[in-house]
Amino acid sequence: GEDVEQSLFLSVREGDSSVINCTYTDSSSTYLYWYKQEPGAGLQLLTYIFSNMDMKQDQRLTVLLNKKDKHLSLRIADTQTGDSAIYFCAEGGGSYIPTFGRGTSLIVHP
Amino acid sequence: EAGVAQSPRYKIIEKRQSVAFWCNPISGHATLYWYQQILGQGPKLLIQFQNNGVVDDSQLPKDRFSAERLKGVDSTLKIQPAKLEDSAVYLCASSSTGITDTQYFGPGTRLTVL
Repeated sequence: GEDVEQSLFLSVREGDSSVINCTYTDSSSTYLYWYKQEPGAGLQLLTYIFSNMDMKQDQRLTVLLNKKDKHLSLRIADTQTGDSAIYFCAEGGGSYIPTFGRGTSLIVHP
Repeated sequence: EAGVAQSPRYKIIEKRQSVAFWCNPISGHATLYWYQQILGQGPKLLIQFQNNGVVDDSQLPKDRFSAERLKGVDSTLKIQPAKLEDSAVYLCASSSTGITDTQYFGPGTRLTVL
């Protein structure tokens, strides 16, 4: 199976909160990352969390980490149409080279 | 600060032809990465350079793919000969130290092999 798994699609209404979930398998992962990819563009690092933390907040973004269940989530508050993109979860093991999931397409509609 | 530059942005070739991609990292970034992103999947690391030395090329199909970073700045990735399954977006990224530091990605080169 894949090392990092995500659901493929999420559709939300503008102004609502979005929650994107991810599970990973490597228990030695030191860093967990969230990247955003807009159409035709490269990946942009949104945020990351150390494996010894369980929560990190950065403006509209909240990352929750359940290390026991190897579950990572990204919550986007007050989702806007500009948040429509593909969101990738990634884990960094001992080499810190991230292993990416397949990405979750977030669709924000009015 | 200029970002990671890649060229060309798009390339269409026939199978068995050769193709090369170019990447110019952010000035001062010692570490450079090439990723392959197949449609519908996440990026997969092909090769990582630290200055002009290879750190990790374990997932590079060395029978047809090659990469170099001769002067520790720009890098080229070559495919010779190309196969249909090489159709993907090739992403270049750079970071200042390579360990825990943020990777900055270029826009990618979309390769279509017919």
